[in-house]
Amino acid sequence: DVKVTQSSRYLVKRTGEKVFLECVQDMDHENMFWYRQDPGLGLRLIYFSYDVKMKEKGDIPEGYSVSREKKERFSLILESTSTNQTSMYLCASTPPGQGSNQPQHFGDGTRLSIL
Amino acid sequence: AQSVTQPDIHITVSEGASLELRCNYSYGATPYLFWYVQSPGQGLQLLLKYFSGDTLVQGIKGFEAEFKRSQSSFNLRKPSVHWSDAAEYFCAVGARNDYKLSFGAGTTVTVRA
Repeated sequence: DVKVTQSSRYLVKRTGEKVFLECVQDMDHENMFWYRQDPGLGLRLIYFSYDVKMKEKGDIPEGYSVSREKKERFSLILESTSTNQTSMYLCASTPPGQGSNQPQHFGDGTRLSIL
Repeated sequence: AQSVTQPDIHITVSEGASLELRCNYSYGATPYLFWYVQSPGQGLQLLLKYFSGDTLVQGIKGFEAEFKRSQSSFNLRKPSVHWSDAAEYFCAVGARNDYKLSFGAGTTVTVRA
């Protein structure tokens, strides 16, 4: 089974802090994704990466950046946190395919609270 | 760009009763369609997917979904619900020329004894 591991289940930070959310997958997948999940809004894509050092903006990239130095690891960076970034963050990965025909495998999420 | 609407925010169903969750999508061509389930405190797990062919697809945990092109729908069904089916369910749509998925807002299912 594919394993997608997010480094923290819960994080509490103060506004203005820099935060790193780490995600590691163990199946040599090319594609990795970061979403945020908010009640009533479902999952919204922040960034995705289709190869090492390659990234594309999703629907809500403002206030976020990403890093993918190794194939198995995809990091989400919040440079200077604000309270509106309090959310559940989900990482996912897929192997290459025809468009989005490969099901995404998700980690258990990081619940981030910004005070 | 594709989009998904899940009209029901919350559904309550009795254990043993049938369940149907609605999903409507917007996309110009034949989409890739998915249903995911999220149990409390966990990530999303794939229930089933539709790419082409038979419009009735079977998934895990006894779920099935039917693709209806004329109605732009992909509704999820289960004949007899178990208490362990209490969770949040997400419909998602994807495209052949894009890695990205668009998710609906989700439907929370409560199962009463």
